[in-house]
Amino acid sequence: GAGVSQSPSNKVTEKGKDVELRCDPISGHTALYWYRQRLGQGLEFLIYFQGNSAPDKSGLPSDRFSAERTGESVSTLTIQRTQQEDSAVYLCASSLVAARGETQYFGPGTRLLVL
Amino acid sequence: AQSVTQLGSHVSVSEGALVLLRCNYSSSVPPYLFWYVQYPNQGLQLLLKYTTGATLVKGINGFEAEFKKSETSFHLTKPSAHMSDAAEYFCAVSDTRPQKLVFGQGTRLTINP
Repeated sequence: GAGVSQSPSNKVTEKGKDVELRCDPISGHTALYWYRQRLGQGLEFLIYFQGNSAPDKSGLPSDRFSAERTGESVSTLTIQRTQQEDSAVYLCASSLVAARGETQYFGPGTRLLVL
Repeated sequence: AQSVTQLGSHVSVSEGALVLLRCNYSSSVPPYLFWYVQYPNQGLQLLLKYTTGATLVKGINGFEAEFKKSETSFHLTKPSAHMSDAAEYFCAVSDTRPQKLVFGQGTRLTINP
């Protein structure tokens, strides 16, 4: 079956512009996660959604970052007034449920470059 | 709080040699541990995971890892390296709430012909 898909695969923007990144999870997966991977570093958790529950936003680095998800479908991560330090690969993952030990399936990521 | 340390940001082995990638963790609860592999310009792919039960876990592509509670380790091994194993490897521990993964910094594996 189809895996997690993300779009765009690459995005170049100018400092101060807003960007929107999209994630399409695996069908039937109730949990969805966003991570950020800066060059040469591990992944940092940003936010996760579980079904219709309120999202856990504890990893968002600033109020310029926000994310939405409608039900168990597509999610969008929005970064307002982008800064150069926002340059990174943004990875989305989904899992059947949000539970310890549950396998998270990752998309290919969106590579964001802020000039 | 959970944390992961991967010893060695770069590891280089010859083709056919043993691969050993080290991972140590810290967890306030019984850990659930994962190894993911990332090939260039691709997302992460699960190699194997430990939740409960047998401490020696076998994964895809001939990799295995052993959970050692006394050493707080979850090292990844493969008896004989193949050129296609060249990639970045991430160790992760499952957090409690939220149900996020906490990742190590990654180890880049290079295979020499």
